[in-house]
Amino acid sequence: GAVVSQHPSWVICKSGTSVKIECRSLDFQATTMFWYRQFPKQSLMLMATSNEGSKATYEQGVEKDKFLINHASLTLSTLTVTSAHPEDSSFYICSASSLEQYFGPGTRLTVT
Amino acid sequence: AQRVTQPEKLLSVFKGAPVELKCNYSYSGSPELFWYVQYSRQRLQLLLRHISRESIKGFTADLNKGETSFHLKKPFAQEEDSAMYYCALETSGSRLTFGEGTQLTVNP
Repeated sequence: GAVVSQHPSWVICKSGTSVKIECRSLDFQATTMFWYRQFPKQSLMLMATSNEGSKATYEQGVEKDKFLINHASLTLSTLTVTSAHPEDSSFYICSASSLEQYFGPGTRLTVT
Repeated sequence: AQRVTQPEKLLSVFKGAPVELKCNYSYSGSPELFWYVQYSRQRLQLLLRHISRESIKGFTADLNKGETSFHLKKPFAQEEDSAMYYCALETSGSRLTFGEGTQLTVNP
């Protein structure tokens, strides 16, 4: 089946720094990728839709200047958390769409 | 706004017993509903979708528009069914709204 990878799987960064998370579709092309956030013991919350070659569409309440999304190719989308704060600590999951959504394994971000 | 509700956070049954995971939704448009499953230490994966009306791993789900429900059922639970189950509603642009999830434990 279709495989989606995320890198890194976990990252620790200091408050005020930026961190980039990559999402790749390994064996298929995805014009659309999605970014989700999951808090402990809670559900996935859609943050934004990433479209190849165009600007991302953010869900209500998600700061687009804080969570920068770039969909540079049909197999790669990146999420950059800018000026990270401890409250940005979370589990970030991406998915790539091809007839159905295929999910990545997630990235654990801890901001100290 | 759309909403997906899974009233049970935890559900525990014995092996061989029937299991039903409840899902209710609210959406003004025509609903497309899914069940996703996440086994321990694995990524989220699609279990089934209502439009295909198929049975996967013995699970079925019927969309009831009158009751706005999409409950997941299996007549005889197996230990390997233990996992986290999420009900999801697809809206415009293939965006998914997830329920809170139900942790199913099947005891031997």
